[in-house]
Amino acid sequence: GESVGLHLPTLSVQEGDNSIINCAYSNSASDYFIWYKQESGKGPQFIIDIRSNMDKRQGQRVTVLLNKTVKHLSLQIAATQPGDSAVYFCAENRGATNKLIFGTGTLLAVQP
Amino acid sequence: GAGVSQSPSNKVTEKGKDVELRCDPISGHTALYWYRQRLGQGLEFLIYFQGNSAPDKSGLPSDRFSAERTGESVSTLTIQRTQQEDSAVYLCASSSDREYEKLFFGSGTQLSVL
Repeated sequence: GESVGLHLPTLSVQEGDNSIINCAYSNSASDYFIWYKQESGKGPQFIIDIRSNMDKRQGQRVTVLLNKTVKHLSLQIAATQPGDSAVYFCAENRGATNKLIFGTGTLLAVQP
Repeated sequence: GAGVSQSPSNKVTEKGKDVELRCDPISGHTALYWYRQRLGQGLEFLIYFQGNSAPDKSGLPSDRFSAERTGESVSTLTIQRTQQEDSAVYLCASSSDREYEKLFFGSGTQLSVL
């Protein structure tokens, strides 16, 4: 199967700060990207998505930025709360196949 | 149901036994996916169903793994002669025709092979 990485990067932030989680993707043909949040013992939960014809998309307290030139995706969370503590995954759809390829994930730890 | 349902939530088995994992997708979702997640790692694609057909089964690790879907609804992932390396969380997801790229996941089955 396809997956990326063995170690889980960790981002530790203070409650109320803004968080930025980064993701690099490998395939320039990917045309759809999505961020998921996974809390312990649960399945991934959809946060926000973006198509390759956009650079930025905003949701409630979250913003996704896409830089196709360097194949980089980021998730910004405003005013981070303890409930935001989870593992965050980016995923890409490579268009030719109808499946999402997931990154390694980043553990976000929010300190009160 | 309201979301993707998987059963059992936990399964402990002995090496060499066969196991069946079940997924009930969101009603009306035509696409269904199985992923595997090892401890502390990302999601590894296993197989994708469109209706009852599996156009992409490229992620199945070996011929011990198989899956089927019936009635464009329930899917079963079967692992024969389980090995310790099969221990992982098996996640099922489904998506609709209208937003086929947006996957909705179940809570997974934690499989432990002793």
